[in-house]
Amino acid sequence: VLTQSPGTLSLSPGERATLSCRASQIVSSGYLAWYQQSPGQAPRLLIYGASSRATGIPDRFSGSGSGTDFTLTISRLEPEDFAVYYCQQYESPPWTFGQGTKVEIK
Amino acid sequence: QVQLVQSGAEVKKPGSSVKVSCKASGGTFSNYAINWVRQAPGQGLEWMGGIIPEFGTANYQQKFHGRVTITADESTTTAYLELSSLRSDDTAVYYCARPSAGSGGNSFDFWGQGTLVTVSS
Repeated sequence: VLTQSPGTLSLSPGERATLSCRASQIVSSGYLAWYQQSPGQAPRLLIYGASSRATGIPDRFSGSGSGTDFTLTISRLEPEDFAVYYCQQYESPPWTFGQGTKVEIK
Repeated sequence: QVQLVQSGAEVKKPGSSVKVSCKASGGTFSNYAINWVRQAPGQGLEWMGGIIPEFGTANYQQKFHGRVTITADESTTTAYLELSSLRSDDTAVYYCARPSAGSGGNSFDFWGQGTLVTVSS
């Protein structure tokens, strides 16, 4: 089980966002990904392997963590970053997602 | 660049079945798992299962075992999700998704546009 916190994050453009994903079991190989989903759109892969940015993802997005605790950081929020973010473990099937964190404009 | 194009929206009666397709273009079809992920209205993402076309054997989320069948046709580079005994809580957007060579594993770089399946009497 992946538990994301907080459920909602209210911030202003230009601020830093820190999103947490906690796993109930160790994700030992770092097989953790982060996705961004805007309304009406398919999810977009941001981070894989806990800390590697996917192709074309701006460097304001960074991932960190290991074991059971992982973090997605957005260094300076742009208007297009206000969306829902999901973590996913893909170490052992079934692949599971967290329940999501909504980043909204304050 | 890999593109995944899904079939159109469906409206189904409870107890019936639905089959959604996912046509892949660009890249290599056979070697990468095509996965199916669904999202109920206002809810999160739920992995249903996946298949590596080269091997032809699908893996399923236990919750869906017996009701879901995932297949792939290498000749048309198309994957299919069939869900039977539909219930109202199967109403969702269904996505196909697959990894890239770069990210590896089972993170999903490429996604279809989604197919809305509505189950209603």
